[in-house]
Amino acid sequence: DAKTTQPPSMDCAEGRAANLPCNHSTISGNEYVYWYRQIHSQGPQYIIHGLKNNETNEMASLIITEDRKSSTLILPHATLRDTAVYYCIGISSNTGKLIFGQGTTLQVKP
Amino acid sequence: NAGVMQNPRHLVRRRGQEARLRCSPMKGHSHVYWYRQLPEEGLKFMVYLQKENIIDESGMPKERFSAEFPKEGPSILRIQQVVRGDSAAYFCASSPRDSLNSPLHFGNGTRLTVT
Repeated sequence: DAKTTQPPSMDCAEGRAANLPCNHSTISGNEYVYWYRQIHSQGPQYIIHGLKNNETNEMASLIITEDRKSSTLILPHATLRDTAVYYCIGISSNTGKLIFGQGTTLQVKP
Repeated sequence: NAGVMQNPRHLVRRRGQEARLRCSPMKGHSHVYWYRQLPEEGLKFMVYLQKENIIDESGMPKERFSAEFPKEGPSILRIQQVVRGDSAAYFCASSPRDSLNSPLHFGNGTRLTVT
């Protein structure tokens, strides 16, 4: 399983883009990078995932470096409701289980 | 399309009682994962099940905890003789698991309080 490293906390101004980095230097070739968030003890919410190419959906964009050793989650226009703990996860190639780290606590400020 | 349903949302048990937590996966999902989140801590994997089979139980405590996912009905996480240290939020996730390209979708959890 890929080990991921994220900054423990970040701030972002409301309406600005939030860029959340993640290092996953041990990721193997067939492991996807997944992003989830947890808002105040609710169940984790799926955001986006990718393998090699950059991805975009209605929630966010995911930029994966060419060597796949790191990625950045981009919330293009952060709102107060985006305040949450964001997890970057390398998914197990054996069982598909997610191994959660400590994540990044994003605080969106007015 | 209903999401992952967990019940009860809150469960209070006295020490020594049994706790049963239920998880109904999303329609069409045959893979279920259970996670535990202790107060102020991260999410820890407990067990991964397919219908009628336990695939990975590497995160389950050795005693008092069991899980099942029968052919019909919800997945059940059972904790026997609960202790105060079992107080936590228990989350269930489901997936169609047709590939690693299938996200897990989580329920909103059961909050167990042991008094």
